Amino acid sequence: DQQVKQNSPSLSVQEGRISILNCDYTNSMFDYFLWYKKYPAEGPTFLISISSIKDKNEDGRFTVFLNKSAKHLSLHIVPSQPGDSAVYFCAASGGNLGSNYKLTFGKGTLLTVNP
Amino acid sequence: DTGVSQDPRHKITKRGQNVTFRCDPISEHNRLYWYRQTLGQGPEFLTYFQNEAQLEKSRLLSDRFSAERPKGSFSTLEIQRTEQGDSAMYLCASSTGTSSYETQYFGPGTRLLVL
Repeated sequence: DQQVKQNSPSLSVQEGRISILNCDYTNSMFDYFLWYKKYPAEGPTFLISISSIKDKNEDGRFTVFLNKSAKHLSLHIVPSQPGDSAVYFCAASGGNLGSNYKLTFGKGTLLTVNP
Repeated sequence: DTGVSQDPRHKITKRGQNVTFRCDPISEHNRLYWYRQTLGQGPEFLTYFQNEAQLEKSRLLSDRFSAERPKGSFSTLEIQRTEQGDSAMYLCASSTGTSSYETQYFGPGTRLLVL
């Protein structure tokens, strides 16, 4: 079963506007959430993270929001730039005892920022 | 650059052959992880090491797969008797190993094609 879901396979926004990428999870034991960005033929690059004791974390143009009751998180990019065009993965860790460290990923959302 | 490195970046092999991949983690990172990513999916966890000890293996890791981290530094992932279904991107990541809330940093990956 898919414990981390990114329901939008793709998103297109105009340069300078806000990009909002969404992620839902089903395992209430997840307690650490991360966003990665991936270009073709490269490994994922870490963007930003949030632990379950917080509801918001901000780093420059990137902000992650966590709604634990809804088991939902989102990544906001403001302002969006053409260089942000990539696949964005949501990932979570925690869960069953002994599995605290492995990451469970969603399927990714392809973001295209148009000039 | 002191990021995670992987070798080779690309590997083409014939079905039935054995292949071995190498991962060099970030210096002094105690935890090392292997993931596999297929087209249209997010990375899937395979196994992880705390120093030289292999602490968890996914059920995705069949008997044909073996991973080692002999001195707690670099790691190797071997696939014996490769099958076409093994074609994927194999990703290595590392983290400090000092806390529960850790960021995993990924290497560029090894893309395997089994003909």
